[in-house]
Amino acid sequence: DAKTTQPPSMDCAEGRAANLPCNHSTISGNEYVYWYRQIHSQGPQYIIHGLKNNETNEMASLIITEDRKSSTLILPHATLRDTAVYYCIAKRGSQGNLIFGKGTKLSVKP
Amino acid sequence: GAVVSQHPSRVICKSGTSVKIECRSLDFQATTMFWYRQFPKQSLMLMATSNEGSKATYEQGVEKDKFLINHASLTLSTLTVTSAHPEDSSFYICSAMLLAGGQGDTQYFGPGTRLTVL
Repeated sequence: DAKTTQPPSMDCAEGRAANLPCNHSTISGNEYVYWYRQIHSQGPQYIIHGLKNNETNEMASLIITEDRKSSTLILPHATLRDTAVYYCIAKRGSQGNLIFGKGTKLSVKP
Repeated sequence: GAVVSQHPSRVICKSGTSVKIECRSLDFQATTMFWYRQFPKQSLMLMATSNEGSKATYEQGVEKDKFLINHASLTLSTLTVTSAHPEDSSFYICSAMLLAGGQGDTQYFGPGTRLTVL
């Protein structure tokens, strides 16, 4: 599975959009981009995933560049409860394992 | 939907005892479940992959005789830490795979079990 690179930390003001970037320049054609987050002392929470097209659900939007070498997770209106470590993971849909890197620690501030 | 539970949420035991942790997919069937371990200020590390009705596949460096995994049904996997020692103290997290029929299968995680071995 392709390696992903994320900034170690980011701050965001409450109520503003949080845009979390992820680089996956070696991603292969059958690998999806998955996003999870982990709030302190809890299990990871699934957010969203996509292959080529942009995706949106009730939690977030995922924007994948046309060359698929990078993506951005967008939390449209961040709240204090969105403070967490966010993980971007490239994985083949039904194969391979979720390999967690260090992720991005997002701090939402009032 | 896609809820995974773990029991217990927290356990404290004496060195040398065995501890069993249960992982259940509450509203879907999971052919495949996974067990992870997380030490303080570190990321999740995959320990093993559990397939219903067959032996688990362990990651390199994980002792299969120490961490016994049973996946006897499509909704239940158990992890037993045998002869636990203080260095086994950690946050253990399971996940269950929800098949999506070619749309990217998704793992859903349980809330985790905090194990403290005295």
